[in-house]
Amino acid sequence: GAVVSQHPSWVICKSGTSVKIECRSLDFQATTMFWYRQFPKKSLMLMATSNEGSKATYEQGVEKDKFLINHASLTLSTLTVTSAHPEDSSFYICSAEQLAGETQYFGPGTRLLVL
Amino acid sequence: KNQVEQSPQSLIILEGKNCTLQCNYTVSPFSNLRWYKQDTGRGPVSLTIMTFSENTKSNGRYTATLDADTKQSSLHITASQLSDSASYICVVWLTGGFKTIFGAGTRLFVKA
Repeated sequence: GAVVSQHPSWVICKSGTSVKIECRSLDFQATTMFWYRQFPKKSLMLMATSNEGSKATYEQGVEKDKFLINHASLTLSTLTVTSAHPEDSSFYICSAEQLAGETQYFGPGTRLLVL
Repeated sequence: KNQVEQSPQSLIILEGKNCTLQCNYTVSPFSNLRWYKQDTGRGPVSLTIMTFSENTKSNGRYTATLDADTKQSSLHITASQLSDSASYICVVWLTGGFKTIFGAGTRLFVKA
């Protein structure tokens, strides 16, 4: 099946620093990529949807200046958490879709801990 | 209000037993319903996708059903294995965009 990777898998940073998380579709071109965050024992919450070459669409309540998304190519999307604070500590998961309505493949997630 | 409710919240079963997880939704306009398995600390993995016209879909020991009239779906796991211990998430997609509504998930624990 299709593979989506995320890097890094773990990141610990100091409050105030920025953290970049990469999401790559390894064996297919993803027309659309999604970014989610998940708190412990909670379900995934969609943060934003991005299409290659265009601006991301953010869900209500998600600060676009805080969570910068760049979908640079059909196989790479990045999420940058700017000026991270402890409340940004979470599990961030990306997913990629080759064609609209097709199976959505999820990455393994990135666990962010802001001290 | 678009909602997806899953039950039970958690479930403990013995290895080898069957179980059924429920998903009720009040989502419109409905496009498709998906079941995912998420191991702790990992990303979700797709189990099944069902559109409005599909009543049942199987993937190995997993069988999902969909009743579009009553807006209910179930995921049946046959002959459970220890590796089935995970969270199972029901997700409903709306038409006209990429809007998705996630259920809170059912945490399944399979004991030896």
